[in-house]
Amino acid sequence: DVKVTQSSRYLVKRTGEKVFLECVQDMDHENMFWYRQDPGLGLRLIYFSYDVKMKEKGDIPEGYSVSREKKERFSLILESASTNQTSMYLCASSSNLGGTYGYTFGSGTRLTVV
Amino acid sequence: GQQLNQSPQSMFIQEGEDVSMNCTSSSIFNTWLWYKQDPGEGPVLLIALYKAGELTSNGRLTAQFGITRKDSFLNISASIPSDVGIYFCAGQSLKGNKLVFGAGTILRVKS
Repeated sequence: DVKVTQSSRYLVKRTGEKVFLECVQDMDHENMFWYRQDPGLGLRLIYFSYDVKMKEKGDIPEGYSVSREKKERFSLILESASTNQTSMYLCASSSNLGGTYGYTFGSGTRLTVV
Repeated sequence: GQQLNQSPQSMFIQEGEDVSMNCTSSSIFNTWLWYKQDPGEGPVLLIALYKAGELTSNGRLTAQFGITRKDSFLNISASIPSDVGIYFCAGQSLKGNKLVFGAGTILRVKS
């Protein structure tokens, strides 16, 4: 069964901490994405990557950075966590092949910053 | 960024009722997708639509790609308690691999 795996389901971090959210996919997908999900706001794109070592800003990149050193892994970094970054974070991947561009999502990481 | 207008925002229906939700956009899309998110999980793809006018079914779900390519709807017939969740529409334009998501429709079913 193909998967996108997010390393933690729940995280509690303190304000000012550096936080790493990890995402791994086993489908050899070229594209990977990080979203945050907040009630009433839907899914908002933070960063995405179309290839190894490549990254592009999404709609809300402020306060975040990403790293993609290997094709299967896409990390989201909160340089200095703040309470307004408390949210559900979703990682997704997709392939350029076969004419279908649907995303496969991970189960999400619920981050609380206190 | 681009926006999709998804409605309704939430629905609270009786088990057995049919459900309808839709998405509209000011931009043309060449692919429309519908996802469902169960509580505490990530969204899962339900239906993908690739051609204007296409009508596709998946069990009790039916979705259509609007003729203008700027809208799509999802119908769920004879709802059951496990239909509870958040339903998202998503569109993809001709450029790039990025999807644009609607804000979601929260579905609650009363049994």
